[in-house]
Amino acid sequence: GESVGLHLPTLSVQEGDNSIINCAYSNSASDYFIWYKQESGKGPQFIIDIRSNMDKRQGQRVTVLLNKTVKHLSLQIAATQPGDSAVYFCAEHSGDYKLSFGAGTTVTVRA
Amino acid sequence: EPEVTQTPSHQVTQMGQEVILRCVPISNHLYFYWYRQILGQKVEFLVSFYNNEISEKSEIFDDQFSVERPDGSNFTLKIRSTKLEDSAMYFCASSVSASTEAFFGQGTRLTVV
Repeated sequence: GESVGLHLPTLSVQEGDNSIINCAYSNSASDYFIWYKQESGKGPQFIIDIRSNMDKRQGQRVTVLLNKTVKHLSLQIAATQPGDSAVYFCAEHSGDYKLSFGAGTTVTVRA
Repeated sequence: EPEVTQTPSHQVTQMGQEVILRCVPISNHLYFYWYRQILGQKVEFLVSFYNNEISEKSEIFDDQFSVERPDGSNFTLKIRSTKLEDSAMYFCASSVSASTEAFFGQGTRLTVV
């Protein structure tokens, strides 16, 4: 079946360094992707999105890259802060009305 | 800032009992969703709802599940006869359109004993 997945389940990063979180997807027909952040005991929080007609999109301290050739999505966080510690999910707009989530990467920021 | 609100935050129920999870989506949103997350696992789609009817549902959303928008603000998920494996966090979400970001509530933790 088609699915959205992440390369690594955990990522430990030094405070102040840049983080890169990766995601591979298999549905080449997907046209919309979202990165969510989930802190413990909370719901997924929207970070940034990108449509399939774009390769890159930047937000505040975050950048999403989309490589449709290899069906790869990444989230870059600049100058990672302790508050960035969370689980990060990529989600794929698959079907008309739903999001398919990847397994998640747990980011831990070391002081 | 507008947000999706869910009640209760935690619900404990006995196996076989009915539960209703409640959600108030963001007021100008037209699409509503329920997702669930079993502890330590990924978020799974259950159902989407638009124009007072189900738009899409997953295999998880069987005959034991139903959704309703009883008035102009609430969106509910009912599980008729809960099973142990229904224990999970249930998230309500809403969006302006089908292809824009969905905003999630804080979730209801359902524990079936």
